[in-house]
Amino acid sequence: DSGVTQTPKHLITATGQRVTLRCSPRSGDLSVYWYQQSLDQGLQFLIQYYNGEERAKGNILERFSAQQFPDLHSELNLSSLELGDSALYFCASSPLERGDQPQHFGDGTRLSIL
Amino acid sequence: AQSVTQLDSHVSVSEGTPVLLRCNYSSSYSPSLFWYVQHPNKGLQLLLKYTSAATLVKGINGFEAEFKKSETSFHLTKPSAHMSDAAEYFCVVAHPANTGKLIFGQGTTLQVKP
Repeated sequence: DSGVTQTPKHLITATGQRVTLRCSPRSGDLSVYWYQQSLDQGLQFLIQYYNGEERAKGNILERFSAQQFPDLHSELNLSSLELGDSALYFCASSPLERGDQPQHFGDGTRLSIL
Repeated sequence: AQSVTQLDSHVSVSEGTPVLLRCNYSSSYSPSLFWYVQHPNKGLQLLLKYTSAATLVKGINGFEAEFKKSETSFHLTKPSAHMSDAAEYFCVVAHPANTGKLIFGQGTTLQVKP
């Protein structure tokens, strides 16, 4: 058990809809990361938050947004969903924001767009 | 810019024989390097990390990796494969000091035959 909790585990919705994915980091970790895993793109970094503030952005679409709350949990919002957004979305956390810190991953949310 | 290339998309070994998963990286600075493993329907688990200390890094479950700067390689090895090692393995690079954005290789699927 990594200590990182993601909900829900599975999400099935339709094109054009909006969903929210939730992540609770390991106790004591201040940094939260979101990644997308798909068959064609592999694992890609989306965005990082550290202690409530955005720290880095990767290949995140404008239709996607995230935030980290004062209790350090994070939410990833995906809107105007398209078929191509179907993927496994992972959250990870680490104590600090540095790249030499190992990240601990949740089990992911599998998003299916019908 | 950073990048990582896993040289084999699929590796098949017999149980009890050595495992070699190959990874080359490209980085304009001395990077942090990681190997993660992903079992089916699970999140990623850290196997080991290199962060400019010893070049031979020991990880969990008998895995180790050697950082070779001259060859820009970080190959993962294990002396004797076990059936439970069957999974997908990711070589990952990150800047050691900046944000924790991870750059993933495309992954190597390890098959272990009885």
